[in-house]
Amino acid sequence: ETGVTQTPRHLVMGMTNKKSLKCEQHLGHNAMYWYKQSAKKPLELMFVYNFKEQTENNSVPSRFSPECPNSSHLFLHLHTLQPEDSALYLCASSQSLMDEQFFGPGTRLTVL
Amino acid sequence: AQSVTQPDIHITVSEGASLELRCNYSYGATPYLFWYVQSPGQGLQLLLKYFSGDTLVQGIKGFEAEFKRSQSSFNLRKPSVHWSDAAEYFCAVGMYGGSQGNLIFGKGTKLSVKP
Repeated sequence: ETGVTQTPRHLVMGMTNKKSLKCEQHLGHNAMYWYKQSAKKPLELMFVYNFKEQTENNSVPSRFSPECPNSSHLFLHLHTLQPEDSALYLCASSQSLMDEQFFGPGTRLTVL
Repeated sequence: AQSVTQPDIHITVSEGASLELRCNYSYGATPYLFWYVQSPGQGLQLLLKYFSGDTLVQGIKGFEAEFKRSQSSFNLRKPSVHWSDAAEYFCAVGMYGGSQGNLIFGKGTKLSVKP
């Protein structure tokens, strides 16, 4: 595997389910990010981790819970989501917070 | 607050024609600027970046962009568009010297290419 990978690529869940999104980067980067991409809205930064420490939480509702066990892996735990949370969730990584970000292919999430 | 404006939501050009996608930013200090491209169902791929130095930057796939501080612009250009360039293009600005890694993205410009 190379670059940034995300699993699953597609996820359908009910409002009462609990699921997790996984991101893995194979680039040796130190920073990782979660973004939300909704139709007709700009990409929204959700969380930033640098050397496994969360440095940014962009006023994200608590039903989204990130986890970064090491610099290569990033998770987004989901529970009690709303239909408006349906979106493409993109993971990215960068060598440092000052460098360009490399994106994964995204997870298309549908909340019923 | 910093912001990025891409005034064109959708542009259609003929294959072989030249292309210019506009991007304006609002930021008080020296920005670092990016253009990304996104094909349907895919993540974003970096086309080019400007951090400092030469204001005309070359990127992948034959794209270039010019940073104009006086106009707060970073327009993307390509002299001859190929059908495979059809995608959505995003301009982004980051805070130079910042510590949060916060990129602000524009809403994107969707490019369609006519045969």
